Amino acid sequence: AQKITQTQPGMFVQEKEAVTLDCTYDTSDPSYGLFWYKQPSSGEMIFLIYQGSYDQQNATEGRYSLNFQKARKSANLVISASQLGDSAMYFCAMRELRTGANSKLTFGKGITLSVRP
Amino acid sequence: EAGVVQSPRYKIIEKKQPVAFWCNPISGHNTLYWYLQNLGQGPELLIRYENEEAVDDSQLPKDRFSAERLKGVDSTLKIQPAELGDSAVYLCASSLGDRGHDTQYFGPGTRLTVL
Repeated sequence: AQKITQTQPGMFVQEKEAVTLDCTYDTSDPSYGLFWYKQPSSGEMIFLIYQGSYDQQNATEGRYSLNFQKARKSANLVISASQLGDSAMYFCAMRELRTGANSKLTFGKGITLSVRP
Repeated sequence: EAGVVQSPRYKIIEKKQPVAFWCNPISGHNTLYWYLQNLGQGPELLIRYENEEAVDDSQLPKDRFSAERLKGVDSTLKIQPAELGDSAVYLCASSLGDRGHDTQYFGPGTRLTVL
């Protein structure tokens, strides 16, 4: 069964600094997708970035990049040049691809990020 | 382009009362999902629709929860009767298709409080 682990306690970062949010996963499916979502206090889950297990390069989207280490089963999110608006909960999620329609998106418990001015 | 719309945003009811949540997905998105998010946890899937067909409702507590997506567009999730433990955020999401790499886009959620 697929599993996502996010164990960091609340994270703090100074504005304009970079921060790494950790995510490890477990799956027996060689084909899977990894997602990161941001959930501010307003409650909406905002999609940030996607990484496929067979993608050759680490995904990047603006200030977000994914440090994908397949052998270690980790998919850490790196946020560069933190902004006050980055303060939120961040969720890592995974979906196995081989099982297709029978698979579901599984989320970790999330990490709270606070950006200090 | 409008995102996923949900209403109401907040709902407070007494236990044993019925409650319903409404979701309108992104235009053109065939797949619709309902998730439950408890405090301090990630969302958990309740039900997934492909057009008007519920293709995965294995996590839906069918004794009190029901859902419908009659015309394959908007959807309603109902709880009857509500229990104290149902207090949570109910999130709706949609995607173009149901391939594993299809990104799911979420609405703002409905925060339910059962007294």
